Amino acid sequence: RKEVEQDPGPFNVPEGATVAFNCTYSNSASQSFFWYRQDCRKEPKLLMSVYSSGNEDGRFTAQLNRASQYISLLIRDSKLSDSATYLCVVTLGSARQLTFGSGTQLTVLP
Amino acid sequence: GAVVSQHPSRVICKSGTSVKIECRSLDFQATTMFWYRQFPKQSLMLMATSNEGSKATYEQGVEKDKFLINHASLTLSTLTVTSAHPEDSSFYICSARGGGRGDTQYFGPGTRLTVL
Repeated sequence: RKEVEQDPGPFNVPEGATVAFNCTYSNSASQSFFWYRQDCRKEPKLLMSVYSSGNEDGRFTAQLNRASQYISLLIRDSKLSDSATYLCVVTLGSARQLTFGSGTQLTVLP
Repeated sequence: GAVVSQHPSRVICKSGTSVKIECRSLDFQATTMFWYRQFPKQSLMLMATSNEGSKATYEQGVEKDKFLINHASLTLSTLTVTSAHPEDSSFYICSARGGGRGDTQYFGPGTRLTVL
């Protein structure tokens, strides 16, 4: 079983749509949780951290459910520029290494 | 955010040659650097963790004699792919952490290696 699992997609949505991504992680000792965004042939960039209380950054809302070991990302009013692969990431261990999910591909269509 | 550079951004080499990739933290001292590899349509896989001045810790399945990592200073780590073969063709990305910036890892732009 993968440590971090995501639906690979692709998700093709029209501009203005709301889209939700889900992620599950296998190790209950995971410490920190993030969503990263990766554009084609580029490095991943931190989108936002994820907290149990839920957090929002503009059109993006992230949620963590530790009991279910489940992380979500909601994108409202999607823009063409949101097209990318979204990576669910957790940290584990004393070195707090990042473990990446395989990513969910999003394409926002005009 | 912090800036991490990688050089070269792209390299094409013949099978059997060695390739060195540099990772530099430009505006902070990176006590820890990480090297990742990403194959097409797959996620980033951690190859090794290196702390300045000590030997790198390699992930299971990564050959330490093939992927040589040196972290001789707080701003520079190098990854050398020795005797590269076509199956080593991949996107290699480094990240850096430290300099009072907590646990945040800052990623370099990546190096695309193609071995013919």
